Parts: sequence; C-alpha cells; structure tokens
Amino acid sequence: DVKVTQSSRYLVKRTGEKVFLECVQDMDHENMFWYRQDPGLGLRLIYFSYDVKMKEKGDIPEGYSVSREKKERFSLILESASTNQTSMYLCASSSPRDGSTDTQYFGPGTRLTVL
Amino acid sequence: RKEVEQDPGPFNVPEGATVAFNCTYSNSASQSFFWYRQDCRKEPKLLMSVYSSGNEDGRFTAQLNRASQYISLLIRDSKLSDSATYLCAVNTNAGKSTFGDGTTLTVKP
Repeated sequence: DVKVTQSSRYLVKRTGEKVFLECVQDMDHENMFWYRQDPGLGLRLIYFSYDVKMKEKGDIPEGYSVSREKKERFSLILESASTNQTSMYLCASSSPRDGSTDTQYFGPGTRLTVL
Repeated sequence: RKEVEQDPGPFNVPEGATVAFNCTYSNSASQSFFWYRQDCRKEPKLLMSVYSSGNEDGRFTAQLNRASQYISLLIRDSKLSDSATYLCAVNTNAGKSTFGDGTTLTVKP
C-alpha cells in the first residue's frame, strides 16, 4: 500500500513564524502535491512537483514556497505565517506509472493554527 | 464559475435508500475522472475511477457523460458506514487534479 506521511497532525504557530510542513511518500511517486482544505472552499492546490527540484504553482501559491530535494520528500514552507493560513494542509502523491491513471494518495493532514 | 461543481448537500437518507450525486466540470479537455471519499477529520481516499463506459463496484456505480460534462455516483442500498463527504476530481493536465467541494451524505437508521 502507498503510504504518505506528514510530519505533524496538529501544529500551533504564532504570526510571523517560519513554518515547515514535511511530507514523505514511500512508493517512488514522481508527482507530489500540497493542498489546503477549508470549510466551504474545498481542496485548493498550493504547489505541486513532477520531479526532484521541480515545482509548479497551483491555484493559491501566495505566501507559500516548496522544496523537493529528494524524490520522496516534498516540503511546504510558510515564510511568515499569518492567521489566514490557519487551515488543514494535505499532501498527496501520484504516479503516471500507476495503473489507476494518476490516482492521488493523501497523507493524514496537518491542522495548522496560526495565532 | 468553478471548474468542478458539486451539490454540497447535505443528503440525509435512510438506510437502504438509493442516492445519486452529480458533478459537473467546465473544461472539455479533461482526461480522467474520479470519486474520492472523505470521512470526518480524515484524508480523502479514492473510491473509484470513472470510465467512459461506466463502472460498477458492488453497491457503487459511476458514470461519465462527456457530452454534457458531468460525472455521477450512484449508491444503492445505503449503509450507515456510507456516511461521508464524496469529492469528485477531474484531471486536465497529466497528474494534476481539480476537486469539487464535496457532497455530504448522512445515512440514518
């Protein structure tokens, strides 16, 4: 089974802090994604990556950056956390080699609260 | 207008009922289609992919109508354990999915 893990389930940070959210997948997937999920707004794509050292902006990249130095790890960085970044953050991975045609496998999520 | 739209519900149905969800998408170049299930405070998990010919998995049937640009999910003989939020997802560029906001289903005894 594909396993996607995220570094924290719950995180509380203060406004202005730099925040790192880590995601690791163990299935050698090429594609990795970061979403945030908010009530009434659904899942929104922040950034994604098709390969090591590659990154692409999603629909809401402002205030975020990412890093993919190794294939299995995709990090989301909040350079200066703000209260409007309080949300559930979900990481996902997929592979074009997967017979299920790019099914996304999600991590358990990190609920971030910025005070 | 959102790229992928779903009726948010909630749908409240008795056990044993048949319930159907629809999802419309705006990009005619969309290539692959999915239904995910998300339990409360959990991550989304793939329920089923949706193929042009339609596909069935037990009590669940998914269909795709490319001409009208919608996908549907039919759940027969609803169980209490089917209570969840159902998200549709559409892939336009390889690997990148756009998700609907989800439809909430509650099955009651």
